[in-house]
Amino acid sequence: RKEVEQDPGPFNVPEGATVAFNCTYSNSASQSFFWYRQDCRKEPKLLMSVYSSGNEDGRFTAQLNRASQYISLLIRDSKLSDSATYLCASKKTGRRALTFGSGTRLQVQP
Amino acid sequence: SAVISQKPSRDICQRGTSLTIQCQVDSQVTMMFWYRQQPGQSLTLIATANQGSEATYESGFVIDKFPISRPNLTFSTLTVSNMSPEDSSIYLCSVERVKQQETQYFGPGTRLLVL
Repeated sequence: RKEVEQDPGPFNVPEGATVAFNCTYSNSASQSFFWYRQDCRKEPKLLMSVYSSGNEDGRFTAQLNRASQYISLLIRDSKLSDSATYLCASKKTGRRALTFGSGTRLQVQP
Repeated sequence: SAVISQKPSRDICQRGTSLTIQCQVDSQVTMMFWYRQQPGQSLTLIATANQGSEATYESGFVIDKFPISRPNLTFSTLTVSNMSPEDSSIYLCSVERVKQQETQYFGPGTRLLVL
C-alpha cells in the first residue's frame, strides 16, 4: 500500500462548482501535511499547509482528520484557472523530506 | 518563497553519458532535496543533499548512479551517471528555508530525455 494515496481523477467540473479532494495516509507518524498545485510541465507550487484546526485561504479550505488519517481540499467557485493536478504531501516526524501522493487532476470547464 | 534556479532546464542525452544538474538558491536554506518525476507519475525523493557531507539516499537510489554535491548552503548538484532511457524524467530540487522549516519550495525542474 502506498504511503499517501489520492484518487487520480480526472475531476471534470463546470465553472463555479465546488469540488473536494481527499488524500489518505497510512503512516501514523506523519506529522505535517501540504497541498501542492502542479500545472502541466511546471514544478509543484505550494498551495497551502494543512493544520489540525483546518485552514482557509480564499476559495480553498484544507482539513485534517487524524482519526481517519486523511486530509481534504475543498475548492469553492471553481475557476478555469484552477485546472491543474493537486498533489498532497506528508512529512513524518523526524524526517524533513516529503512523501507525495500521485496527484488528482482537476479540469474546470466553461 | 525562495527563488530557485536549475540548469539546464532541459537536455537530450545519449545512452551511457552523464549529466550534471545544478540547483542555485537566492538565500541560505537549511535543507536541499532532489526529486524525480517520471512521465505521468508523482514525485519520488532521490536524496537529501547535506552541506559538507555525503548525501542521504532513499531506498533504490545509490551514490554511484546519482552523485550529489552540496558545497555550501545555496548550491547543489545532482549527476545522473551512465544514463539509460529509463532515466528520462524531470529532476527537481527543492529547498526548505532557514526560517520556514515546515515548507518546501521547488525549482523549475530539469527535463531529461535519454535516447
